[in-house]
Amino acid sequence: EPEVTQTPSHQVTQMGQEVILRCVPISNHLYFYWYRQILGQKVEFLVSFYNNEISEKSEIFDDQFSVERPDGSNFTLKIRSTKLEDSAMYFCASRVNLSGANVLTFGAGSRLTVL
Amino acid sequence: AQSVTQPDIHITVSEGASLELRCNYSYGATPYLFWYVQSPGQGLQLLLKYFSGDTLVQGIKGFEAEFKRSQSSFNLRKPSVHWSDAAEYFCAVGFFGNEKLTFGTGTRLTIIP
Repeated sequence: EPEVTQTPSHQVTQMGQEVILRCVPISNHLYFYWYRQILGQKVEFLVSFYNNEISEKSEIFDDQFSVERPDGSNFTLKIRSTKLEDSAMYFCASRVNLSGANVLTFGAGSRLTVL
Repeated sequence: AQSVTQPDIHITVSEGASLELRCNYSYGATPYLFWYVQSPGQGLQLLLKYFSGDTLVQGIKGFEAEFKRSQSSFNLRKPSVHWSDAAEYFCAVGFFGNEKLTFGTGTRLTIIP
């Protein structure tokens, strides 16, 4: 079964450093997402991406965050200068359009620890 | 306020017993409804979904959920749980034409022998 692949599975970084989280969505999907889950809290929407541009973003997704699809397969989330509160599990997802609804396939997540 | 509520933070069930996990939503319109499961160290796996039609939906791993419009609920059920069902379960809602899913806070399921 096709799956969404995320790397790294776990990254530890110092506060203020830049981090890039990578995702390989399912090959024929056109819509891509990043969600995050701070430990013990709910899964929160960060951003959606379609046709090489952001289609929607949450208030969490401030100027420190950016997304890019640098080639035909990868979808990246960059955090420019990490803060302690960026520590979370970050999930990439891509979308299958099914009856017009957002059926998302999620990756296994990348755990980011900011020290 | 619009929200998705999972009232139970943690549930413990004996192996072989039945299970019901609660999910309530508060939205003006009926959303699309989903249940996802997150096993330790794993991503979010879709268990089942409701868009329209039959209010009892079947999912993977023997799970089912029933949509009750009058109660704004979409509870997840399984007649007999297995130790491998221990995980975190998330209810989520979406709307046609909207980009994002909104998740509940999750229910952690522990299975005891």
